[in-house]
Amino acid sequence: SAVISQKPSRDICQRGTSLTIQCQVDSQVTMMFWYRQQPGQSLTLIATANQGSEATYESGFVIDKFPISRPNLTFSTLTVSNMSPEDSSIYLCSVGQGMNYGYTFGSGTRLTVV
Amino acid sequence: GIQVEQSPPDLILQEGANSTLRCNFSDSVNNLQWFHQNPWGQLINLFYIPSGTKQNGRLSATTVATERYSLLYISSSQTTDSGVYFCAVVNNNDMRFGAGTRLTVKP
Repeated sequence: SAVISQKPSRDICQRGTSLTIQCQVDSQVTMMFWYRQQPGQSLTLIATANQGSEATYESGFVIDKFPISRPNLTFSTLTVSNMSPEDSSIYLCSVGQGMNYGYTFGSGTRLTVV
Repeated sequence: GIQVEQSPPDLILQEGANSTLRCNFSDSVNNLQWFHQNPWGQLINLFYIPSGTKQNGRLSATTVATERYSLLYISSSQTTDSGVYFCAVVNNNDMRFGAGTRLTVKP
């Protein structure tokens, strides 16, 4: 199955600043997904990132707040912009590997905004 | 969109006990997976099981797609089994998660 390298693993940031999270996959994948997990909650899909097109955002998430890049089939970034304490969460990237293999997740980025 | 419901929300067991976690979903799915999230936040894939039954050591899972539910069985539980168990389904390419079952196994 695909292996995803996600970084940073954790960060503490000042409010008003931005943080960019990176995910590198060891194989080419068409679709990558970004999730947020708020404290004590389940995972919520932020957006789907396809190479060569604009990311598709879920209801409640906007590009100005969570810009996503997908420059090639093995890499994507998610930026959390103009952060506030409410953005403190775990952010995870994921890839689908087709039938019979399911979805694989990165190890997550634990973000604390102070 | 598709709804995913997990039960129970919380479960406390004594080490060595068995348990069954349930996942109900509201529509047909292309994929269903069970994950274990450890205390460090890592999401570990347990089973890819859109239908049928699979076993891996003390864990097994069954999905009855026609009745839209899946079960995760944990036998002879250990303290290292503690954490949150998520059921997640894929419908139209993206994966949706249930609210999870928080399992605590006491020594």
